[in-house]
Amino acid sequence: EVQLVQSGAEVKKPGESLKISCKGSGYSFTSYWIGWVRQMPGKGLEWMGIIYPGDSDTRYSPSFQGQVTISADKSISTAYLQWSSLKASDTAMYYCARHLHTAMVTWGWFDPWGQGTLVTVSS
Amino acid sequence: EIVMTQSPATLSVSPGERATLSCRASQSVSSNLAWYQQKPGQAPRLLIYGASTRATGIPARFSGSGSGTEFTLTISSLQSEDFAVYYCQQYNNWLPLTFGGGTKVEIK
Repeated sequence: EVQLVQSGAEVKKPGESLKISCKGSGYSFTSYWIGWVRQMPGKGLEWMGIIYPGDSDTRYSPSFQGQVTISADKSISTAYLQWSSLKASDTAMYYCARHLHTAMVTWGWFDPWGQGTLVTVSS
Repeated sequence: EIVMTQSPATLSVSPGERATLSCRASQSVSSNLAWYQQKPGQAPRLLIYGASTRATGIPARFSGSGSGTEFTLTISSLQSEDFAVYYCQQYNNWLPLTFGGGTKVEIK
């Protein structure tokens, strides 16, 4: 079974750093892009960026470029999303998801999704 | 950036009835569109990709159609487990990938 398991909920203060994780299993982790998606409380889905664990090629949404860092450690089949200085506005649920596509297009859809990591930033 | 607009924001439907959800792209995305279902407290689940191909394990009552800029997700006979929020996502050949704002399907 293809599965993505994310790290647990975090409560942080503004200005603190944070790194959350997403561990893949049941498939070749280095052969598929992994994306990160933000969902702020009561809001919709926002694509943040994507990484190819095979060579760590990473792309960011312009909205998130410079705000977060996406990385991966292929030796342990894990992708990461990190912040160097959290803000209250970073409070959200964060999902990782495996990216799939056909040979006809460069980019595609997401399946499956991790269970989500809730990040709360409050003083 | 391609903007995805979903309508209506909320759809009130009785169990057993048909639900029709719309998604519009600000420019053509060909058939490069996916639909997801999200229930409260759960992660999104892929329903449809390629505008009309059901994902593995998705019941036949879910169907997708459209191409270019206009897309539709139809749930032919709503079951209790179908009340949720539905999102479309485009994946044309350039980034960023973008989602619609969602349609909440609620019990009438």
